[in-house]
Amino acid sequence: GAVVSQHPSRVICKSGTSVKIECRSLDFQATTMFWYRQFPKKSLMLMATSNEGSKATYEQGVEKDKFLINHASLTLSTLTVTSAHPEDSSFYICSARGLDRDTEAFFGQGTRLTVV
Amino acid sequence: GQNIDQPTEMTATEGAIVQINCTYQTSGFNGLFWYQQHAGEAPTFLSYNVLDGLEEKGRFSSFLSRSKGYSYLLLKELQMKDSASYLCAVTDSNYQLIWGAGTKLIIKP
Repeated sequence: GAVVSQHPSRVICKSGTSVKIECRSLDFQATTMFWYRQFPKKSLMLMATSNEGSKATYEQGVEKDKFLINHASLTLSTLTVTSAHPEDSSFYICSARGLDRDTEAFFGQGTRLTVV
Repeated sequence: GQNIDQPTEMTATEGAIVQINCTYQTSGFNGLFWYQQHAGEAPTFLSYNVLDGLEEKGRFSSFLSRSKGYSYLLLKELQMKDSASYLCAVTDSNYQLIWGAGTKLIIKP
């Protein structure tokens, strides 16, 4: 299957700093990328959907100014957690889908963010 | 609203068969996916159904009935490594992925 690389896999940052998470599709053009947040023992919570070259569509309750999403190319999307707080600690996962919307979305490895 | 229901947790015995059900109510339908997720890892794709019927892939099979808004994932010859969460997801008319809460499957020796 297609490969989606997410980096970093783990990050610890101080409260008040910003953290950038990258999501790259390595062998296909990802027209759409999804960013999820997952709490322990909970399902995926969609944060936002981004299409290449356009602004991300955020789900209700997700702060746009806090979770900045950029999808500047067909192979790269970034999620920046700005002014991170301990409650932002979570498992963040990206997934990417190509032009064919009937195919599965491929997931990155996930990023474990800990804010101290 | 859009809704996907699946059991929260199931327990089965190694070597046995288990069926995980998923019912959905969405704005349109463009396919149903099953994913497996081990703790601390990202989900991995298992199956995709867009037409009614059974799709078999090794020890795993997935069934779909669009008229009933129903799917199940069947796991045969259970192994300890099958202990994971199983997520059902439906693509609606806008090709948005709607996720179920996941079913935690516990395999006992």
